[in-house]
Amino acid sequence: KAGVTQTPRYLIKTRGQQVTLSCSPISGHRSVSWYQQTPGQGLQFLFEYFSETQRNKGNFPGRFSGRQFSNSRSEMNVSTLELGDSALYLCASSATGFYGYTFGSGTRLTVV
Amino acid sequence: QKEVEQDPGPLSVPEGAIVSLNCTYSNSAFQYFMWYRQYSRKGPELLMYTYSSGNKEDGRFTAQVDKSSKYISLFIRDSQPSDSATYLCAMSVQGAQKLVFGQGTRLTINP
Repeated sequence: KAGVTQTPRYLIKTRGQQVTLSCSPISGHRSVSWYQQTPGQGLQFLFEYFSETQRNKGNFPGRFSGRQFSNSRSEMNVSTLELGDSALYLCASSATGFYGYTFGSGTRLTVV
Repeated sequence: QKEVEQDPGPLSVPEGAIVSLNCTYSNSAFQYFMWYRQYSRKGPELLMYTYSSGNKEDGRFTAQVDKSSKYISLFIRDSQPSDSATYLCAMSVQGAQKLVFGQGTRLTINP
């Protein structure tokens, strides 16, 4: 059974640019969540999608957005990148949406 | 104050020792309790999850939840060097669709 796949694995962007990250969940999982992981703040919840609907959103500015497609694949977008956006962005999928999440290996974003 | 508190360590123990990892929390609405293991440059891997209070055992791992004290623990018996990783506790409220993580404890098992 394939796991959660995130692309790309590494990304370097310049301040002010925008970036799109992609996530393919485990087959059959309809809930996809995104988390930001930094050394200082740890893992923080960004948002969760279920059947193309955002059900929950964390305390991040509006520059962070996401969407989910009909095949459950998800993308997140960060506009007007800031240096502080440098982090590991993790996608997780679940059949239920509130426990048993399986995480991908993440996308390491570096903003310079 | 964070909703979930976890000692970041680092924690270093000899091979074969029993390891105890703990988290405390403040939100009494948490009902699902999870432990994740994260190796360097990898995403977190779910080790165990528990619903409400009680104990759960899986091989060398035992998870305990004490809701009255708002305290959860993970015990690792007969620890191996391959157990060296960062261990994260996570919790959720039913219907909330998000996990709240502790800071993670970096564990090293010395051969």
